[in-house]
Amino acid sequence: DVKVTQSSRYLVKRTGEKVFLECVQDMDHENMFWYRQDPGLGLRLIYFSYDVKMKEKGDIPEGYSVSREKKERFSLILESASTNQTSMYLCASRSPSGHRLILFGPGTRLTVT
Amino acid sequence: ELKVEQNPLFLSMQEGKNYTIYCNYSTTSDRLYWYRQDPGKSLESLFVLLSNGAVKQEGRLMASLDTKARLSTLHITAAVHDLSATYFCAVDEKTSGSRLTFGEGTQLTVNP
Repeated sequence: DVKVTQSSRYLVKRTGEKVFLECVQDMDHENMFWYRQDPGLGLRLIYFSYDVKMKEKGDIPEGYSVSREKKERFSLILESASTNQTSMYLCASRSPSGHRLILFGPGTRLTVT
Repeated sequence: ELKVEQNPLFLSMQEGKNYTIYCNYSTTSDRLYWYRQDPGKSLESLFVLLSNGAVKQEGRLMASLDTKARLSTLHITAAVHDLSATYFCAVDEKTSGSRLTFGEGTQLTVNP
């Protein structure tokens, strides 16, 4: 069963901490994405990656960075967590060919106190 | 910039009734996706629509795509409580490589 997994379902961090959110896919997909979802704001793209070591900013990259050292893993880093980064974080991946369907991981609900 | 608009954003309906959710988008695309999200959960893929006139059906849900009108519809037939969820459409931006742009989501509540 192909899947996208995220390292934590729930995470509580303190303001100023460095936070790592990990995402792994087992479908050999080239493209990977990080979205955040907030009530009333829908899904907003933070960063995406076309392939290993390649990344592009999405709509709201401020306060975030990413790392893609291996094809199956895409990490989202909050350099210094702030309370306005409390949110649901969704990782996704897709193949650039065929249906190009984006498949989502289960999500990480991050609370920054 | 691609814009994707869904309406309605909130829909409360009785079991057994029919209704349609609309998804309009602002630029050329021939690929549209529908997702379902249950409260507290992630997004689950429902349909992939790949060409003008495409129609897909699964159970009580049917999705269609009209690329000329830049419109997709998600039709619900004889709604049941289990269909209560938030439904998103997403459009593939032809010119941007890989990113999808999502609509705001339609929160559907089916009442007994």
